[in-house]
Amino acid sequence: DQQVKQNSPSLSVQEGRISILNCDYTNSMFDYFLWYKKYPAEGPTFLISISSIKDKNEDGRFTVFLNKSAKHLSLHIVPSQPGDSAVYFCAASVGGSQGNLIFGKGTKLSVKP
Amino acid sequence: DAGVIQSPRHEVTEMGQEVTLRCKPISGHNSLFWYRQTMMRGLELLIYFNNNVPIDDSGMPEDRFSAKMPNASFSTLKIQPSEPRDSAVYFCASSNRGLEQYFGPGTRLTVT
Repeated sequence: DQQVKQNSPSLSVQEGRISILNCDYTNSMFDYFLWYKKYPAEGPTFLISISSIKDKNEDGRFTVFLNKSAKHLSLHIVPSQPGDSAVYFCAASVGGSQGNLIFGKGTKLSVKP
Repeated sequence: DAGVIQSPRHEVTEMGQEVTLRCKPISGHNSLFWYRQTMMRGLELLIYFNNNVPIDDSGMPEDRFSAKMPNASFSTLKIQPSEPRDSAVYFCASSNRGLEQYFGPGTRLTVT
């Protein structure tokens, strides 16, 4: 039973446009959410996070939005750059637990020049 | 800092052989995690340690899998005997009292 779902396995966007990556979750106890980016042959790297007490967190070109009632979060990248092409993983945690991050299966983003 | 170091980067072995994967966490980090990534199941947590003590090993698939952390700077994940279905990329990650985990480059394991 997948608690964190990324329903789009891939996304293609033109350079300069907005990329929107979506993530849905089923466990209402999740209270901290993270996005990781992964390039081929490398490990995932932390990108941005959001606590459930907020509905938006912004870091440069990256913004994460959280809609708790819909159990949905999204990552916006504006403007998209070819170097953003990677697999993006959504992850969630319960009660600030340091141990258990539940990951989605990832969305492969391709940004075309 | 060199980041999380994993070795080997690639491992090819025959079914039935013992496989040992190694991880050196970031210095000062108090938590260490082992993950497995496959196409079918995505990124799964196998086990994690806090201050060198195993906290949750519920993700370890079978008794063939074992993990140790003898000190704060070293951990191993062992598979004995290995099977073709163990073929995957195995990641080690560490964190320091926070939720952001820092991943190593992974070990790609192929069991033939």
